Amino acid sequence: GDSVTQMEGPVTLSEEAFLTINCTYTATGYPSLFWYVQYPGEGLQLLLKATKADDKGSNKGFEATYRKETTSFHLEKGSVQVSDSAVYFCALKGSQGNLIFGKGTKLSVKP
Amino acid sequence: NAGVTQTPKFQVLKTGQSMTLQCAQDMNHEYMSWYRQDPGMGLRLIHYSVGAGITDQGEVPNGYNVSRSTTEDFPLRLLSAAPSQTSVYFCASSYGWLSGSRSEQYFGPGTRLTVT
Repeated sequence: GDSVTQMEGPVTLSEEAFLTINCTYTATGYPSLFWYVQYPGEGLQLLLKATKADDKGSNKGFEATYRKETTSFHLEKGSVQVSDSAVYFCALKGSQGNLIFGKGTKLSVKP
Repeated sequence: NAGVTQTPKFQVLKTGQSMTLQCAQDMNHEYMSWYRQDPGMGLRLIHYSVGAGITDQGEVPNGYNVSRSTTEDFPLRLLSAAPSQTSVYFCASSYGWLSGSRSEQYFGPGTRLTVT
């Protein structure tokens, strides 16, 4: 069945460092792909999405490109801030209309 | 718009008790779903609904019941709580359920449930 694999955390970075969180997927066809972010004590918020191959989703300085050749959707940010500390989830749209999530990657950014 | 609301925020139950987690949305979304979040497991789908009167099972439905009598509400019932149901529960909704730009899912703030 469909699945998402993302890099395990936690990831600890200094402010202004470059961030990459790897995400690969297994699916039939070309599902929509998403990155969600969960700040401490809160629900999930959509960070960015891509609905077809080669699409680039971007928001708040974060970017991810839908790569069908490598079945990947890696999240990147050029310069992280302390306020980016959160748990990041990669997800794909399943055939039931649901989201299939990776296990999440906790990011901590130190000043 | 209030978006997706969930009550209660926190709940402690004893094994064998029953309760209902409430979820409501005011965006006229057709699709609603319940997930549970456990450490190291990501989020897993419990039940979902593609419209009023229509529900179906997700990945981990055992021990849970749902109904969808209105577009706005999608309550999740725990029939006889067990310690394995200790988790954080999230409700989500979207305009549609097929792929596309209107199928973005909006999440509620979650209910943290502990079963002792």
